[in-house]
Amino acid sequence: DIQMTQSPSTLSASVGDRVTITCRASQSISRWLAWYQQKPGKAPNLLIYKASSLESGVPSRFSGSGSGTEFTLTISSLQPDDFATYYCQQYNNYPYTFGQGTKLEIK
Amino acid sequence: EVQLVESGGGLVQPGGSLRLSCAASGFTFSKYWMHWVRQVPGKGLVWVSRVNSDGSDTTYADSVKGRFTISRDNAKNTLYLQLNSLRAEDTAVYYCGRGVGTSSFFDYWGQGTLATVSS
Repeated sequence: DIQMTQSPSTLSASVGDRVTITCRASQSISRWLAWYQQKPGKAPNLLIYKASSLESGVPSRFSGSGSGTEFTLTISSLQPDDFATYYCQQYNNYPYTFGQGTKLEIK
Repeated sequence: EVQLVESGGGLVQPGGSLRLSCAASGFTFSKYWMHWVRQVPGKGLVWVSRVNSDGSDTTYADSVKGRFTISRDNAKNTLYLQLNSLRAEDTAVYYCGRGVGTSSFFDYWGQGTLATVSS
């Protein structure tokens, strides 16, 4: 199975900050990577697919980059609604696997 | 509007069974591959299973292979997950998700249904 490792596990930041979350795959997944946002008690919400494609309706402050084994999710200017947990997911091979999550907290 | 609504969760004893359902609306269900993903409360997301658009092909995570069965009824726009031989570690919120293409991420998710395995 492909292991997905996110860092950091927790990130404290302030409104207006630029933040970056990293996701590393245990083997190359080309660009078959998605990012999701999840708030407590809710289903995940798709933000980014194919490493850098922004899902329709997602604010442009979210961006993704990377290929192979290293990927990043960047939020250019944090808004109050962005404090949540973020997950990466590889869909290069079954079983699809997720990172362990990055909890973005208010500083 | 795309909607996925899960049901069928509940409390079951170890070794018991449950059948989860996911009712789909707002899109042509029969054209999409569908998936189940689970999440232990407070923990991360784990992909469980997928079924192709006509129900003829399925894939499972090793942790559920031989115990869980994914299926679909395209006439009823409904996805199913039959959970047998349940264990305490199967306790989780189960989400259905719509796949995009044949190898994919999930663009729509249901709200989830909680299955609790406990004596």
